[in-house]
Amino acid sequence: AQSVTQLGSHVSVSEGALVLLRCNYSSSVPPYLFWYVQYPNQGLQLLLKYTSAATLVKGINGFEAEFKKSETSFHLTKPSAHMSDAAEYFCAVSVPGNQFYFGTGTSLTVIP
Amino acid sequence: EAGVAQSPRYKIIEKRQSVAFWCNPISGHATLYWYQQILGQGPKLLIQFQNNGVVDDSQLPKDRFSAERLKGVDSTLKIQPAKLEDSAVYLCASSLAQGLTDTQYFGPGTRLTVL
Repeated sequence: AQSVTQLGSHVSVSEGALVLLRCNYSSSVPPYLFWYVQYPNQGLQLLLKYTSAATLVKGINGFEAEFKKSETSFHLTKPSAHMSDAAEYFCAVSVPGNQFYFGTGTSLTVIP
Repeated sequence: EAGVAQSPRYKIIEKRQSVAFWCNPISGHATLYWYQQILGQGPKLLIQFQNNGVVDDSQLPKDRFSAERLKGVDSTLKIQPAKLEDSAVYLCASSLAQGLTDTQYFGPGTRLTVL
C-alpha cells in the first residue's frame, strides 16, 4: 500500500530563512511524487512533481524538492521564505494501478 | 484559460437532508476528480472519471454518495442523506489526460456543513 507522511503539521520560519517541509513516502514500486500548495479559500496548486527523471526537481515560486530513494523522502525546500509563502502544503504520491494519495498537510507560517 | 469552476462555494444543511455539488472542469480536460477534504486532513479521492466513464470509485460511500458526468464535461456529486461526518470541503479537479503524472487543476471547493 502507498502512503505519505508529512512530519510537522505546523512549521514557522522567519522571513528570509530557509524553508524545509518534510515528506516521506511508502511504496513498493517507484512512485511519482508531488507537492501542492493551498492558499486560504483557494484550490490546490501544483508546486512541482517528480516523474522519475531528474531527482532534483525545481518548481514555481523558488521551491525545489529532491527525491531520495534511499531515504524514501521528497522534502520541499526554499532558500529564503517570503511572507507570501504562508499557506498549507501537501505532499502526494501516485503509483501505477493505484490512487493518488495526499499527506495530511503542513501549515507554513512566515514571521516578519 | 478559465479554471475549474465549482458551485456553490458554501452549503449548510441538516443531517438526513440531501445536497448536490456541481463542477465544470477546464475545457478539453478528459479526466475529472472529486475529493473530500475533512478539516485537518489531506484531500481523499472519492471518484475519478475519464470522459463520462468511472475509472475509480473505490472510496466513494455508495450507500449515500453518487456522482455523474453524463456528457463527459461537467459533473455533479450528490449526498443523500447527509450525515454529520460529511462536513468537509469537496474539491473538484481536472487533468488533460489520465496519466499518473498529469497535473491536476483544482477548483476552489465547496464547503459543506452538516448540522
